[in-house]
Amino acid sequence: VQLQESGPGLVRPSETLSLTCSVSGDSLSGYWWSWIRQPAGKGLEWLGRVYVNVTTNYNPSLKSRVSMSIDTSRNQFSLRLKSVTAADTAVYFCARETGISRWFDPWGQGIVVTVSS
Amino acid sequence: DIQMTQSPSSLSASVGDRVTITCRASQNINSYLNWYQQKPGKAPELLIFAASSLQDGIPSRFSGSGSGTDYTLTISGLQAGDFASYYCQQTYSVPRTFGGGTKVEIK
Repeated sequence: VQLQESGPGLVRPSETLSLTCSVSGDSLSGYWWSWIRQPAGKGLEWLGRVYVNVTTNYNPSLKSRVSMSIDTSRNQFSLRLKSVTAADTAVYFCARETGISRWFDPWGQGIVVTVSS
Repeated sequence: DIQMTQSPSSLSASVGDRVTITCRASQNINSYLNWYQQKPGKAPELLIFAASSLQDGIPSRFSGSGSGTDYTLTISGLQAGDFASYYCQQTYSVPRTFGGGTKVEIK
């Protein structure tokens, strides 16, 4: 199974960040699919997850700015983050949550997103 | 939210050393605890899941233990390729949360 993030590397302040994670080698069915980000030199922050039936869980720290969707026909899932600021500049990863005890494996390679005018 | 407190935040060690990293949860997470290794410019890689289960392909010098709120990652015989950052993560509840990370550097 391989995951690959895609999307713009530069987003203007106040606009919407949109990323897609393409999954190859397995179906989206039966798994939760997560987004995680990491500002340069800092730790990991879980943003949220989406299930194949479109159920979602989001990190309350992002309040109402975040939304996630899933497209089983394209074997992709997506992240949208509204009203971005410089604090949203980070490497964004997608990952599959799996197993009885729910671990993240595999991860995408990550995509650098910079918020700047 | 469950807070994950990881210590130390950094450490210096030599090849061959035994290294221990600890992670404490703000409440009982019932062994829903995973450990990841991250090298610069790369995505995290799963080492240990469910507190003590070794992921396929991970060397046996890595081990995990713990229960309740307190967990430990041990590297027995540090190798050159082990110099990296390590993160714990709880998957007992949402939001999923990570520890702050431990950077293992060469002494």
